[in-house]
Amino acid sequence: EVVLTQSPGTLSLSPGERATLSCRASQSLYINYLAWYQQKPGQPPRLVIYGASSRASGIPERFSGSGSGTDFSLTISRLEPDDFAMYYCQHYGTSPFTFGPGTKVDIK
Amino acid sequence: EVQLLESGGGLVQPGGSLRLSCAASGFSFNNYAMGWVRQSPGEGLEWVSTIGGTGRTTYYADSVKGRFTISRDSSKNMLYLQMKSLRAEDTAVYYCAKYSYDSARSALDSWGQGTLVTVSS
Repeated sequence: EVVLTQSPGTLSLSPGERATLSCRASQSLYINYLAWYQQKPGQPPRLVIYGASSRASGIPERFSGSGSGTDFSLTISRLEPDDFAMYYCQHYGTSPFTFGPGTKVDIK
Repeated sequence: EVQLLESGGGLVQPGGSLRLSCAASGFSFNNYAMGWVRQSPGEGLEWVSTIGGTGRTTYYADSVKGRFTISRDSSKNMLYLQMKSLRAEDTAVYYCAKYSYDSARSALDSWGQGTLVTVSS
């Protein structure tokens, strides 16, 4: 089973700052089958990045994903008020398709 | 527009059963894998189960294997999760989600609003 570790647990930043979130896998992922999801309180998750680096439909260009193998990251170039939320990574190469524990991006 | 509407949640006693349903619309249901993801109160996301477009391929998390059964009815555009031998740790909001392709090896690109299952005596 692939175990995903996300860091930091909480990221406190101000609007306009750059956010870099990390997701590390316990073993190399199959063809970078890694996704990032954003979730706000009381709402379902929303797909942000798939295939480690492809933006989902409707996602602003300030969101970017990178990485391969076991180390992946999600970068938000300039935080906007709407970006403060929880972010989860998930791998989908082999079952079980586990999620990471999440990183909370909150307002400093 | 893709719409996923879950129903069937509620309060159930430990050891009991419940069937969740998800009504799908706005896309060609047969052509996409579907799944269930749950979230316990105040906790993170947990993948539960996935089913392929034809219904022949299914996957389960170890925590629910042997107790939960995922199925789909393409004639009704419905996804189901039959849950039995429920435990307190199954208490969660259960989300129905659509995959990007007819494959579990794709991301979950649309989600329902979720239905709450509470297992308690």
